[in-house]
Amino acid sequence: AQKVTQAQTEISVVEKEDVTLDCVYETRDTTYYLFWYKQPPSGELVFLIRRNSFDEQNEISGRYSWNFQKSTSSFNFTITASQVVDSAVYFCALSEASSGGSNYKLTFGKGTLLTVNP
Amino acid sequence: KAGVTQTPRYLIKTRGQQVTLSCSPISGHRSVSWYQQTPGQGLQFLFEYFSETQRNKGNFPGRFSGRQFSNSRSEMNVSTLELGDSALYLCASSGTRNYGYTFGSGTRLTVV
Repeated sequence: AQKVTQAQTEISVVEKEDVTLDCVYETRDTTYYLFWYKQPPSGELVFLIRRNSFDEQNEISGRYSWNFQKSTSSFNFTITASQVVDSAVYFCALSEASSGGSNYKLTFGKGTLLTVNP
Repeated sequence: KAGVTQTPRYLIKTRGQQVTLSCSPISGHRSVSWYQQTPGQGLQFLFEYFSETQRNKGNFPGRFSGRQFSNSRSEMNVSTLELGDSALYLCASSGTRNYGYTFGSGTRLTVV
């Protein structure tokens, strides 16, 4: 069974601090996809990044960076020099690629509420 | 390029009634999936449709149903509403699973 754990329920930082959001996943599939989404108060889930299980390269996009480590089943997300506009709930999600009904869906973690204070 | 459109944005229904929510995917996307978000359970998968066929279904009672039309637009229906059905219902469309899912703004359903 697939499972995503975001151990940090809430994080509060002061603007310009760096912050890392943790994500640990469980899956029996060798091929799978990992995602991060941002949910501002408006409610819409905004796609941030997708990573497949064969690509362990870390990625940096502006102030955002992601660290994918298959050895520890983790896909952590770091915001550098955080800003007030980064305040939102962040979700990590997993999609398996095998047949049999477990695919075609996202399994989400419980989310981490990030509050960036001025 | 228009995003995923969900209607209505807000809905208030009485316990025992039924409700239909609508989702229009991104043009060209043939996969539409639905999720329920509540404070207690978080984001949970309801079902996914592709070319009018349900390919996967989450662990929800039969009161929750859905369908997809030939133009890929999808509807979900909840019959005999319960207070616990109050939630944000999110729809997502996808061109291919490999490239992820784009979500709509959701329909916030309140059952009173």
